[in-house]
Amino acid sequence: EAQVTQNPRYLITVTGKKLTVTCSQNMNHEYMSWYRQDPGLGLRQIYYSMNVEVTDKGDVPEGYKVSRKEKRNFPLILESPSPNQTSLYFCASSLHPGTSGYEQYFGPGTRLTVT
Amino acid sequence: AQKVTQAQTEISVVEKEDVTLDCVYETRDTTYYLFWYKQPPSGELVFLIRRNSFDEQNEISGRYSWNFQKSTSSFNFTITASQVVDSAVYFCALSDNTGGFKTIFGAGTRLFVKA
Repeated sequence: EAQVTQNPRYLITVTGKKLTVTCSQNMNHEYMSWYRQDPGLGLRQIYYSMNVEVTDKGDVPEGYKVSRKEKRNFPLILESPSPNQTSLYFCASSLHPGTSGYEQYFGPGTRLTVT
Repeated sequence: AQKVTQAQTEISVVEKEDVTLDCVYETRDTTYYLFWYKQPPSGELVFLIRRNSFDEQNEISGRYSWNFQKSTSSFNFTITASQVVDSAVYFCALSDNTGGFKTIFGAGTRLFVKA
């Protein structure tokens, strides 16, 4: 089954404790992306990647890191989480922009609470 | 700069009514992509449609139709004969060549369909 998986689905942590949210897709997609969703703000892109070893900042990259060492995986790293990073996070993947398959498939979401 | 505006925060209709969700976008690129996604109460994000900037043909899929007008920078979504299952948050999104296909989402429109 074609899918994007995220782990964990729920996470409560404390300020300053490094954490990683994993994202994996099994569709051989080039494009992967992380978003955060906050009430009234829609989804805001944090980072995206057009392919292995290629990453770019989205609109809200501060406080986050990503890496793309393998095509299928795109982990999101919070080196020192703060309460303003409490949010619902989505990972997404798609074929390369410009192809007929450029439509993003989303993971189930990770609800993160930082206290 | 890219921008997507969904001016309608919430819309409430009675079942079988037609409803149109507005989306206005801004971009300087001539090549760009527009999307609609649905987020039902269960929280997942579901792709509905993609439109390329060079294809202004309107599209109909069952009860759903989309009106793309470059002259007014709008990509509106109409649900005909709405049903309770259409209750969801609907997001419009834009991706263009500027900065390598970063994706910008609107704030979303929450649609309530009452029986």
